[in-house]
Amino acid sequence: GESVGLHLPTLSVQEGDNSIINCAYSNSASDYFIWYKQESGKGPQFIIDIRSNMDKRQGQRVTVLLNKTVKHLSLQIAATQPGDSAVYFCAENGGSARQLTFGSGTQLTVLP
Amino acid sequence: NAGVMQNPRHLVRRRGQEARLRCSPMKGHSHVYWYRQLPEEGLKFMVYLQKENIIDESGMPKERFSAEFPKEGPSILRIQQVVRGDSAAYFCASSPQSGNQETQYFGPGTRLLVL
Repeated sequence: GESVGLHLPTLSVQEGDNSIINCAYSNSASDYFIWYKQESGKGPQFIIDIRSNMDKRQGQRVTVLLNKTVKHLSLQIAATQPGDSAVYFCAENGGSARQLTFGSGTQLTVLP
Repeated sequence: NAGVMQNPRHLVRRRGQEARLRCSPMKGHSHVYWYRQLPEEGLKFMVYLQKENIIDESGMPKERFSAEFPKEGPSILRIQQVVRGDSAAYFCASSPQSGNQETQYFGPGTRLLVL
């Protein structure tokens, strides 16, 4: 079936460097995407979202890029900090669905 | 402004017992979603409810699981006759409206352990 998935299960970056987390989706009807951050023992925390009529959206230190041609989504974190260490999930809420479909997650580790 | 609240945060049950998980949505939100997360996996949708109505329960097991969102009070996810495979983190999310581009905000989850 159609799903949302991530390319890399783990990512380690040096503090201060930029991080890029990737996500592939296969549901061509998807028109809304969200990135969540989940710290150990906590619930998913909304980071940023993007609608399919956009290809880029920026927040505070984060940027989401959407490439509908290749069904690819990425999250860029600028000047990564120790507090950014967490699991990052992309999720899609496409077409007429009201349920979110989550990827398997990428563990981001920030090295001192 | 309080976020989504869930209780209990941790729940231990023996096989065959019942588990009741509660969720209070964010103030002003009338749509509730339940998800289950197994260790090192993403969240899996279970059920979507509005006040007094189940809208989509396509992700919920047909047996032993039920959910409700009464007119007054929190949403309840009920698991009867729990088995070890029910051990997981259960997350509730809420949104103000039901559109397919509404952001869902999550609670801290209930971690269920079945002995």
